[in-house]
Amino acid sequence: GAVVSQHPSWVICKSGTSVKIECRSLDFQATTMFWYRQFPKQSLMLMATSNEGSKATYEQGVEKDKFLINHASLTLSTLTVTSAHPEDSSFYICSARLLTGGLSTEAFFGQGTRLTVV
Amino acid sequence: RKEVEQDPGPFNVPEGATVAFNCTYSNSASQSFFWYRQDCRKEPKLLMSVYSSGNEDGRFTAQLNRASQYISLLIRDSKLSDSATYLCVVNYGATNKLIFGTGTLLAVQP
Repeated sequence: GAVVSQHPSWVICKSGTSVKIECRSLDFQATTMFWYRQFPKQSLMLMATSNEGSKATYEQGVEKDKFLINHASLTLSTLTVTSAHPEDSSFYICSARLLTGGLSTEAFFGQGTRLTVV
Repeated sequence: RKEVEQDPGPFNVPEGATVAFNCTYSNSASQSFFWYRQDCRKEPKLLMSVYSSGNEDGRFTAQLNRASQYISLLIRDSKLSDSATYLCVVNYGATNKLIFGTGTLLAVQP
């Protein structure tokens, strides 16, 4: 099946620094990717929709200047957490959906990135 | 009200038991429905899509009631390996956004 690769799988950074997370679709082209965040014992919360070649669409309450999304190619989207703080510590997951005959079907997820800000 | 609601559990059941999970969604315009499984500290993986007529995949049966905006998942003959969090997921129309429920934790005991 389709594969989405996310890197790094975990990162520890100092407060105030920026962290970049990469999400790649390995065997298909993804015009749209999605970025989620999951806090412990909570569900995945959609942060933004990343659109290839255009600006990302952010969900209500998500700061676009803090969570920078770039989708420069059909196989790569990046999320940069700028000026990270301890409250940004979370599990970040990207996903892409495979289109079949114009219909969007299964979503494939990256392995997730566990960010810890100290 | 949350867009997708689930009983968080945990559901502690013995091996071989039958267990059912329920989910309700608030947006009547929702078009696609899924059950995902998430193991601890891992990414979610698709368990099965949910079709209007109901569908079955081995020990797993999914049902959809659009009138009541209700989705269910039935697991028969539970295995230890079924222990995980089960996420009810809804797709809102053309946006292709997936909205996740909070998940139901299942623990199958030997």
